[in-house]
Amino acid sequence: DAGVIQSPRHEVTEMGQEVTLRCKPISGHDYLFWYRQTMMRGLELLIYFNNNVPIDDSGMPEDRFSAKMPNASFSTLKIQPSEPRDSAVYFCASSPRRGQNSPLHFGNGTRLTVT
Amino acid sequence: SQKIEQNSEALNIQEGKTATLTCNYTNYSPAYLQWYRQDPGRGPVFLLLIRENEKEKRKERLKVTFDTTLKQSLFHITASQPADSATYLCALHSGGGADGLTFGKGTHLIIQP
Repeated sequence: DAGVIQSPRHEVTEMGQEVTLRCKPISGHDYLFWYRQTMMRGLELLIYFNNNVPIDDSGMPEDRFSAKMPNASFSTLKIQPSEPRDSAVYFCASSPRRGQNSPLHFGNGTRLTVT
Repeated sequence: SQKIEQNSEALNIQEGKTATLTCNYTNYSPAYLQWYRQDPGRGPVFLLLIRENEKEKRKERLKVTFDTTLKQSLFHITASQPADSATYLCALHSGGGADGLTFGKGTHLIIQP
């Protein structure tokens, strides 16, 4: 399996622009997670889906952030409008089942820079 | 509030020695604890999972302990190698039916030849 695939790997945009990050989870994994990583705050859970349905979006920082999962093989995280403080590495992860004993499989992230 | 604490300072270890990393947590009652490795420019990679009723778990040169009384997990790499240099993260579920993991900020390990 190719693992979790994220695109783009790098995104540089100007403040106020819309940004869309993409994720393809591992086939057969029912859970999909979006995380953000910064030096100051570490890895933060933004939102997660089960069977394409958003379950918990309490980590989404503001209404500027939105996430969708139109089917089992694709998810997007959108920021509109983007701000410099959104600069971070955004990771997508998938898991085959629920529960504390289920490891996460991460993609290699999208490094977002908002100028 | 819930906290997961790992030593934020880099840990320098000489090749061949045992590296020990610490993960402390407060206001969690986890049934499981997980450890991940993260290399620069890459996503975290799962290494080991330990259950609350397991005192110790081993995988090749890796060993993890889990003390629910002390609220602490120790992660050991024996016979360390420069290729073990990376950031190591511990992770817990926050409970309450949530499925997402909460991560510590990680400890940067440097194995010097």
